[in-house]
Amino acid sequence: GQNIDQPTEMTATEGAIVQINCTYQTSGFNGLFWYQQHAGEAPTFLSYNVLDGLEEKGRFSSFLSRSKGYSYLLLKELQMKDSASYLCAGMDSNYQLIWGAGTKLIIKP
Amino acid sequence: GAVVSQHPSRVICKSGTSVKIECRSLDFQATTMFWYRQFPKQSLMLMATSNEGSKATYEQGVEKDKFLINHASLTLSTLTVTSAHPEDSSFYICSASTSDYNEQFFGPGTRLTVL
Repeated sequence: GQNIDQPTEMTATEGAIVQINCTYQTSGFNGLFWYQQHAGEAPTFLSYNVLDGLEEKGRFSSFLSRSKGYSYLLLKELQMKDSASYLCAGMDSNYQLIWGAGTKLIIKP
Repeated sequence: GAVVSQHPSRVICKSGTSVKIECRSLDFQATTMFWYRQFPKQSLMLMATSNEGSKATYEQGVEKDKFLINHASLTLSTLTVTSAHPEDSSFYICSASTSDYNEQFFGPGTRLTVL
């Protein structure tokens, strides 16, 4: 079956770094996505990885290892506005997104 | 670029009535549109996938006669919740993608409350 696993909740301190892990099992693979979702709002796109390695985009970076079925989202210099749910989604061979349940990130001052 | 709008943003209706939600891609042509439902503290649940001019493909467990999807053009898809009941109360989100599938652009969502 297809499955996405990520932690339910994480807590970090303002200004620090946090890594949110995601493991995936999909039927075929056409990339791994990370989305940010604030409460009551729709998801917004953060990153897309289809090749192994690290993609850096400002304070956010995303890593992919296809052999391990593993990805992480790295957030640096955390700000209070980064408090949100972070959704990991794998795209299968039919170009459908398989969604994880999301990781709620709580930022403390 | 790549803006998707949804209308209405919030709707409250009585049980038994029908509600139509519109999803528009404002600055691009969407080959495929997706309709999701999200219950509180849960992830997105794909309801159906629609391509312009063809019938929507519904996920298992989603009643196609209850959730009518019309993808009339490359910029507009509608979801009609027919004979709505309180258990249909949820956050409905559409997304749109172009032919390269590399990204889904999400609408802002519609909060449906059925009394």
